[in-house]
Amino acid sequence: QQQVKQSPQSLIVQKGGISIINCAYENTAFDYFPWYQQFPGKGPALLIAIRPDVSEKKEGRFTISFNKSAKQFSLHIMDSQPGDSATYFCAALGGSSNTGKLIFGQGTTLQVKP
Amino acid sequence: DTAVSQTPKYLVTQMGNDKSIKCEQNLGHDTMYWYKQDSKKFLKIMFSYNNKELIINETVPNRFSPKSPDKAHLNLHINSLELGDSAVYFCASSPFTGLKNIQYFGAGTRLSVL
Repeated sequence: QQQVKQSPQSLIVQKGGISIINCAYENTAFDYFPWYQQFPGKGPALLIAIRPDVSEKKEGRFTISFNKSAKQFSLHIMDSQPGDSATYFCAALGGSSNTGKLIFGQGTTLQVKP
Repeated sequence: DTAVSQTPKYLVTQMGNDKSIKCEQNLGHDTMYWYKQDSKKFLKIMFSYNNKELIINETVPNRFSPKSPDKAHLNLHINSLELGDSAVYFCASSPFTGLKNIQYFGAGTRLSVL
């Protein structure tokens, strides 16, 4: 059972455009939602994260929008650059067990065309 | 200095062989993880150790055995390798298992079983 669903699977955006990746979760016990960025041949790296008590978090060109009632969150990349071309993963963490178990979405491969 | 280092980076082997992947972190973290990334880039946690104690053990064939000699090292031993074991295996570490669990990933080990 996939607890975090991510879309789209792939995305092509022109340089300077806005990239939007969406995620939905099922478990209301999740209370921490990070986004990871992975370049080819590298491991994922934390990009930005949000707690459900805020509706938006912005760091530079990257913004997370969070809708707790809909159990959805999204990553917006403003002024997308070719260097942003990578695979992006949303994830969720939390629950009563609190073991640090990150549940990842399926990933979105972003290509930014120059 | 590489924060989370894995060896080897590439591993090509025959079905039925036994192989090990080593992981070391120099971040002083208490918790380490093994993830498997399949050909569709889906990331799934396999194991987690906190201070050498196993805390996450997902539904993984018992041919996979993690070993943590100390909190800076987490190795993965795989017996009787099968074709389906071909994947990229990532080691990660984090300061603790609670909220704001920022996990730092190694560069991965690409395992190819022929």
